[in-house]
Amino acid sequence: AQSVTQLGSHVSVSEGALVLLRCNYSSSVPPYLFWYVQYPNQGLQLLLKYTSAATLVKGINGFEAEFKKSETSFHLTKPSAHMSDAAEYFCAVTPLNFGNEKLTFGTGTRLTIIP
Amino acid sequence: EAGVAQSPRYKIIEKRQSVAFWCNPISGHATLYWYQQILGQGPKLLIQFQNNGVVDDSQLPKDRFSAERLKGVDSTLKIQPAKLEDSAVYLCASSLDRGGRVEQFFGPGTRLTVL
Repeated sequence: AQSVTQLGSHVSVSEGALVLLRCNYSSSVPPYLFWYVQYPNQGLQLLLKYTSAATLVKGINGFEAEFKKSETSFHLTKPSAHMSDAAEYFCAVTPLNFGNEKLTFGTGTRLTIIP
Repeated sequence: EAGVAQSPRYKIIEKRQSVAFWCNPISGHATLYWYQQILGQGPKLLIQFQNNGVVDDSQLPKDRFSAERLKGVDSTLKIQPAKLEDSAVYLCASSLDRGGRVEQFFGPGTRLTVL
């Protein structure tokens, strides 16, 4: 079964600093990979997704992620953190085969921005 | 375009009581999902519908949980009887169709507390 591991349940960065949230996947075949953001008392919102096209994926709100097959990683980055980025971030995976689109989520990383 | 609607937003019940959640997906979306998100964990798929048929309910505790999607639009998720470990946020999501590339849109969730 496919899975994702998010290293660090809590990450704190200063406003204006680099944001790096880590995600590693477990799959024999590169899957589809996603990053979702969840603000307090809200549902999940898609930030970006990797679907086997470009390995560097740009998303909303200035976030991007790079798919690295050799490292089985899909880390999320943003060059300069903003107070509004404070939220919980989830990495998720689905297999490539059509008809099996169940999203399997990591345990999440809570991002805190220090003023 | 209206998003995924869910009600109620919050529900508190005693153990062994029953409870029902309602979801109205984005208009025209054929695929509907119910996820359970326990505090500190990522969402876990409970059931997936394609129109009014069940695609995947392998992780639905069928002795106490049931779900239906009449007429392929709205859906209800029921728990009867509830247990303490059912305390969680129940998220509904919908997508235009099936397939790993297709974006899932999430509602705000229903937070269930079982006392």
